[in-house]
Amino acid sequence: GNSVTQMEGPVTLSEEAFLTINCTYTATGYPSLFWYVQYPGEGLQLLLKATKADDKGSNKGFEATYRKETTSFHLEKGSVQVSDSAVYFCALSASNTGRRALTFGSGTRLQVQP
Amino acid sequence: GAGVSQSPRYKVAKRGQDVALRCDPISGHVSLFWYQQALGQGPEFLTYFQNEAQLDKSGLPSDRFFAERPEGSVSTLKIQRTQQEDSAVYLCASSLVEGDGNQPQHFGDGTRLSIL
Repeated sequence: GNSVTQMEGPVTLSEEAFLTINCTYTATGYPSLFWYVQYPGEGLQLLLKATKADDKGSNKGFEATYRKETTSFHLEKGSVQVSDSAVYFCALSASNTGRRALTFGSGTRLQVQP
Repeated sequence: GAGVSQSPRYKVAKRGQDVALRCDPISGHVSLFWYQQALGQGPEFLTYFQNEAQLDKSGLPSDRFFAERPEGSVSTLKIQRTQQEDSAVYLCASSLVEGDGNQPQHFGDGTRLSIL
């Protein structure tokens, strides 16, 4: 079946540090890949997505590249801010197989200190 | 409203009681999903509707869980004879159309269910 594995948190960084959150996946076919973010007290929000190999999703300074050869979709940001503190979820949708649901990783909590 | 709305925001029930959780999707969204999120975990799929048709209920953990969307808009997730292991945040998400499946899902803030 489909699965997503994320690095465990919490990840604690100082403001302006470089961020990488690793995500690898297992899926049949060619899934679409997503990063969702959950700020404290709020619901899940789509951060970025990529729908085919070598696509790069980007938003709010975050980037992730769909790497089919390594089945990875690592999230990166060059300079984090305190306001980026949240839980980040990697997810896939294997919609080409007819299943519309998202499969999520367990989440990675990011704490950015001033 | 502009987003997915869920109610109640918090629900406390005694073991054995029945509960009903409501989801108002974004107007015009065809697809509706329910997920269950345990503490410290990612959301896990429960069930999926396309308009009023329940096309996938493979994630429902037992026959105590039941979902409906009779008019293709508002959906209700019902849990009968609640157990302590049902304590979780229940998330509803909607997306615009059924197409290539790459439409993003828009999530509500969830209902936090606590079973005593």
